[in-house]
Amino acid sequence: AQSVTQPDIHITVSEGASLELRCNYSYGATPYLFWYVQSPGQGLQLLLKYFSGDTLVQGIKGFEAEFKRSQSSFNLRKPSVHWSDAAEYFCASSGGYNKLIFGAGTRLAVHP
Amino acid sequence: NAGVTQTPKFRILKIGQSMTLQCAQDMNHNYMYWYRQDPGMGLKLIYYSVGAGITDKGEVPNGYNVSRSTTEDFPLRLELAAPSQTSVYFCASTPTSGSNEQYFGPGTRLTVT
Repeated sequence: AQSVTQPDIHITVSEGASLELRCNYSYGATPYLFWYVQSPGQGLQLLLKYFSGDTLVQGIKGFEAEFKRSQSSFNLRKPSVHWSDAAEYFCASSGGYNKLIFGAGTRLAVHP
Repeated sequence: NAGVTQTPKFRILKIGQSMTLQCAQDMNHNYMYWYRQDPGMGLKLIYYSVGAGITDKGEVPNGYNVSRSTTEDFPLRLELAAPSQTSVYFCASTPTSGSNEQYFGPGTRLTVT
């Protein structure tokens, strides 16, 4: 069955440091992959998506993600984290009828 | 465009009560979805619809019902509320073709006591 795993439940980084959030997927074919961000008490905002083509995708707010088929991964990165990036981040893959399968999420804390 | 709207924003129910969570979208999307989000968990699919009159179960449908009489509206019904249904509920929609991106509503926070 299709699944998405985010190995890190909680990550803390210092402001200005680089960030990498891990995501692994399980899917036979090439998946459609997404990263969403959720601020406390808010809905989900799409950061970026991968469907095909260039394996390095750029998103909003300075985020990027790299699709690696050999590792079944779609890790999210940002070169320099801002305090406003503190939030929960969800990786998701899309199956039939565009249904989304979500990972459990990674909560990011940013120290000043 | 208002996008995807949900009402109410918050609700407290007593065990055994029933209620309907409303969801509407004005983007003429055929596909619509209901997810629930429990603390520390990702979102799980409750029900989805691929068009007016067509609905199907997702991963966690027990205790819920849906209907889709129009393209715009996709209400979620809880018949006999249970504490296990305490959660945040998100409605989403997506066009049939194209980017596959789902557009989410702001959520409804439901507490059953």
